[in-house]
Amino acid sequence: GQQVMQIPQYQHVQEGEDFTTYCNSSTTLSNIQWYKQRPGGHPVFLIQLVKSGEVKKQKRLTFQFGEAKKNSSLHITATQTTDVGTYFCAGRNSGNTPLVFGKGTRLSVIA
Amino acid sequence: EAQVTQNPRYLITVTGKKLTVTCSQNMNHEYMSWYRQDPGLGLRQIYYSMNVEVTDKGDVPEGYKVSRKEKRNFPLILESPSPNQTSLYFCASSGQGSSYEQYFGPGTRLTVT
Repeated sequence: GQQVMQIPQYQHVQEGEDFTTYCNSSTTLSNIQWYKQRPGGHPVFLIQLVKSGEVKKQKRLTFQFGEAKKNSSLHITATQTTDVGTYFCAGRNSGNTPLVFGKGTRLSVIA
Repeated sequence: EAQVTQNPRYLITVTGKKLTVTCSQNMNHEYMSWYRQDPGLGLRQIYYSMNVEVTDKGDVPEGYKVSRKEKRNFPLILESPSPNQTSLYFCASSGQGSSYEQYFGPGTRLTVT
């Protein structure tokens, strides 16, 4: 079945440093979504990418979808303590198939 | 306010005692899903439902049951809980189709002793 791999599993950064998490699928995806889960909270939707090579930005966050639609990345510029949490990617093969989540990257930011 | 609610939020029970975790959404969403979250394993899908009376197994369905008699409710049933079902459970809902984000409930932390 479809698998979504996410690396790294953990990342510790100093405040102000950049952070990147990578997501790779074993199959071509119709779209990919990113979620953030704060400690003790529930996953919250951040963004969806649909087009091959798509790049979207939300303030200090940059999301990319690979040309082959099999990989994606989330890059945070100049991390802040408010960025702490676990970031999940989730992809689906086609319109009505279930989302498959990566295992997430837990980000710690040291002030 | 658009939301997904789960009850109870915390539950400690004993092996073999049947329990139900309720999930309800007020967004008229067709798609609902249950996940369990365990350290190092991320979010794993237990069951999902595309619409009323339509349910399907996810990646880890063993030991769980679900029903979808109404659009807004999607209860998770553990007929005979075991300690390996100790976990954090999330219910989620979304509109139908590929372009919809999932809305997650606050989670239910279950401990089976």
